[in-house]
Amino acid sequence: EIVLTQSPATLSLSPGERATLSCRASQSVSSYLAWYQHKPGQAPRLLIYDASNRATGIPARFSGSGSGTDFTLTISSLEPEDFAVYYCQQRNNWYTFGQGTKLEIK
Amino acid sequence: QLQLQESGPGLVKPSETLSLTCTVSGGSISSGSYYWAWIRQPPGKGLEWIGSISYTGYTYYNPSLKSRVTIFVDTSKSQFSLRLGSVTAADTAVYFCARHLSLRYLDYWGQGTLVTVSS
Repeated sequence: EIVLTQSPATLSLSPGERATLSCRASQSVSSYLAWYQHKPGQAPRLLIYDASNRATGIPARFSGSGSGTDFTLTISSLEPEDFAVYYCQQRNNWYTFGQGTKLEIK
Repeated sequence: QLQLQESGPGLVKPSETLSLTCTVSGGSISSGSYYWAWIRQPPGKGLEWIGSISYTGYTYYNPSLKSRVTIFVDTSKSQFSLRLGSVTAADTAVYFCARHLSLRYLDYWGQGTLVTVSS
């Protein structure tokens, strides 16, 4: 099983700041990695697929990068609605998720 | 806008079978490009993919759960369902259904439903 390790577990930032979230895979997943946003009581939302492609309707402030084992989700300038939990997910070997990074308001 | 809604009992006794249904609206369940998935999240833990099914009934299951899981689809009702047998407290989780685009990524999700396993 491919294990995805996300860091940090919690990230405290203010609106307008830049957020950088990390996801590291226990073995290469090529570019087969996605990022999701999840707010309490809501359906998770696909943000990025295949490491760097924004899903339909996702604002340009969200960007993804990386390949192999190291991936990054960047939010260029945080909006109030961006504070949530973010998960990465790989599809190279079945499907597994990271434990999540909670992005909270500082 | 595609919508998915989970339904089923919120409490299941240990050793019994957990049964949930996902109703798809706002779009067709019968498309060759789409699969339909179940994912769960135990309290305080991460997400776990359970399995996926095509509208023709072809299934893929998480190897760690395969012996206890059945997923089936009813296209006439635009529904797909999950059965998880021999449940224990470790199966307590929020269960989500989602559209599994070409078995790649999960692009539409339901809001999830909490299932507690307890006597």
